[in-house]
Amino acid sequence: AQTVTQSQPEMSVQEAETVTLSCTYDTSESDYYLFWYKQPPSRQMILVIRQEAYKQQNATENRFSVNFQKAAKSFSLKISDSQLGDAAMYFCASSYNNNDMRFGAGTRLTVKP
Amino acid sequence: GAVVSQHPSWVICKSGTSVKIECRSLDFQATTMFWYRQFPKQSLMLMATSNEGSKATYEQGVEKDKFLINHASLTLSTLTVTSAHPEDSSFYICSAGPPTGTYGYTFGSGTRLTVV
Repeated sequence: AQTVTQSQPEMSVQEAETVTLSCTYDTSESDYYLFWYKQPPSRQMILVIRQEAYKQQNATENRFSVNFQKAAKSFSLKISDSQLGDAAMYFCASSYNNNDMRFGAGTRLTVKP
Repeated sequence: GAVVSQHPSWVICKSGTSVKIECRSLDFQATTMFWYRQFPKQSLMLMATSNEGSKATYEQGVEKDKFLINHASLTLSTLTVTSAHPEDSSFYICSAGPPTGTYGYTFGSGTRLTVV
């Protein structure tokens, strides 16, 4: 079974600053994938970044990067140069062998102008 | 690429009636689709896994007779909420994929169901 834990219900960041959202997971599988999704008020789930567990190099997508610590089962998301449009719910998720995706409880990010 | 269309976006129905929600993969074939339910300010909860040409696999606690899932083709899965009650009011989201050669799933835009 896979479980995903996000311990920060809410986070706040000043515009242009950097913020890190935490995520830990638990799985007994060796082949799995990790994701961060953004859900704005429209409720459309938007893929922010993804990581294959067998890759040691941390994934990056423009202002978004992850700190993947496999031994610690940690997968945090760093947002650099935060923008007002980054305000949303962020969900960490894991998927085993490209099967169903399990989500954490989410972190609501507020960006202050 | 990898677009998933979900319809309707919102629907209001009377108690006791049935409502069908469609999830289509527009530019790829999806052998597997997933249906999630999301309560306000909560996370997505997996309801069932829909496999093309076979019966859906439901998560524990999800009533298969109330939430009927059909995946008749590689591009279409439907969720029918039967004999709807106010407690079925929620936001339902489907996901499909992954497209060949990729990983991760694409989500539909969701359906807000209100049962009155």
